[in-house]
Order: sequence, then C-alpha cells, then structure tokens
Amino acid sequence: DGGITQSPKYLFRKEGQNVTLSCEQNLNHDAMYWYRQDPGQGLRLIYYSQIVNDFQKGDIAEGYSVSREKKESFPLTVTSAQKNPTAFYLCASSIRLAGGHYNEQFFGPGTRLTVL
Amino acid sequence: QQQVKQSPQSLIVQKGGISIINCAYENTAFDYFPWYQQFPGKGPALLIAIRPDVSEKKEGRFTISFNKSAKQFSLHIMDSQPGDSATYFCAAKAGSARQLTFGSGTQLTVLP
Repeated sequence: DGGITQSPKYLFRKEGQNVTLSCEQNLNHDAMYWYRQDPGQGLRLIYYSQIVNDFQKGDIAEGYSVSREKKESFPLTVTSAQKNPTAFYLCASSIRLAGGHYNEQFFGPGTRLTVL
Repeated sequence: QQQVKQSPQSLIVQKGGISIINCAYENTAFDYFPWYQQFPGKGPALLIAIRPDVSEKKEGRFTISFNKSAKQFSLHIMDSQPGDSATYFCAAKAGSARQLTFGSGTQLTVLP
C-alpha cells in the first residue's frame, strides 16, 4: 500500500521544547516538502528537498529544521525558536518528471501540533 | 506577484446546485494549475489540474475553466452533493519551480 505516512497524528509540546515530526513515503518520489496550515490560510511552505542530503528553505523556515538522509524520509524539527508553532503540519512528495519538472504533489494525513 | 487569490472564503450550496470557486493570479510564468480537496483532519488530495493550453477540463462533476487573458481560473462542481463538503484550494506553479503557490482556501458546505 503506497503512500505518505506522518506521525504522530497529534503532538503536544511544552514551550521551550524541540519536537520532531516524522514523514515517510514509499512512492519512490524524489522531492519532499513540509507545509504549515493555519485556519483560514493556505498552505505555506517550510522546507523542501529534491534529493538526498540536500534541502532548501521555503517561505517560513525560521524556527524549523529538516534532514534528508534517506530518499523515503524527511523529518521536520520544530525548535524552541519557532514562536507560534501551534498548527497543522503537512508533508508532501512529488516525482521528478522529464525535463526536471515537479508537478503533482501527494500529501500525507498531517500532524496537529499544539503548544501547551 | 507570487500570490494566488482565491474567493469566496466560504460557500454554502444546496444539494444538486452548482458550486463555483474562483482564483486569480499575477505571475504569467505559472503554467500548472491544480485544485486540491481537503476534508477535516486530512491532507489535501489532488482533484483536477489544468495547463494554460486548454480553456476547460472536465472530470466527472468537476470542471476547471481557465481564462489566460484574465489570469483567472475557476472550479465548478456540478450537481453538488453533501459529500463534496470540504475545503478546496487552488494552486499554481511556474515551469521548473519547485513549489506550488496555494490560494487561501474555500470552505464548501453542501446542504442536504
């Protein structure tokens, strides 16, 4: 059963703590992405990675960090430097098309992070 | 220039009616326009997508209309059903750009 899995589904964090959100895909996709979703807003890109051991900042990378040690895994760490981390976090992946383009993104089920 | 403006923010339609959601963009380099459907607590799922070389694409009850000169595109849901109640996002991407630019979303409620 191919797809993208995210864990945990719900996560609670105390202020000052770092937490790591997991994202795994078995679609053999090249690119992976992390988005943040807040009520009434669209999806905002945090980080993305096109190949192993390489990743790029998105629009709202401050307070977050990522790693891409394996093609199928792209964990996101929400650090204590992120001042307003309560949100719904979505991981996505896409395949590299001929010509180097990436189009359709497949999303995981999301992780809801709440800061207590 | 990278924004995609989506309207309305929320929409209520009677069962069997037509739901229409609109998006507008400024970046003329955008060449891929997908629509995503998201149910509460779930990740978005691709619904339908269009490229600017066609003015309309239909898949079942879902149709994208694209107006290149006006830089607008819209999603039409024919014969709307309560099961269509969800949040819909338009998005756009330019050429080899690595990321999608999303609209702010429309919460659709279809009344039984």
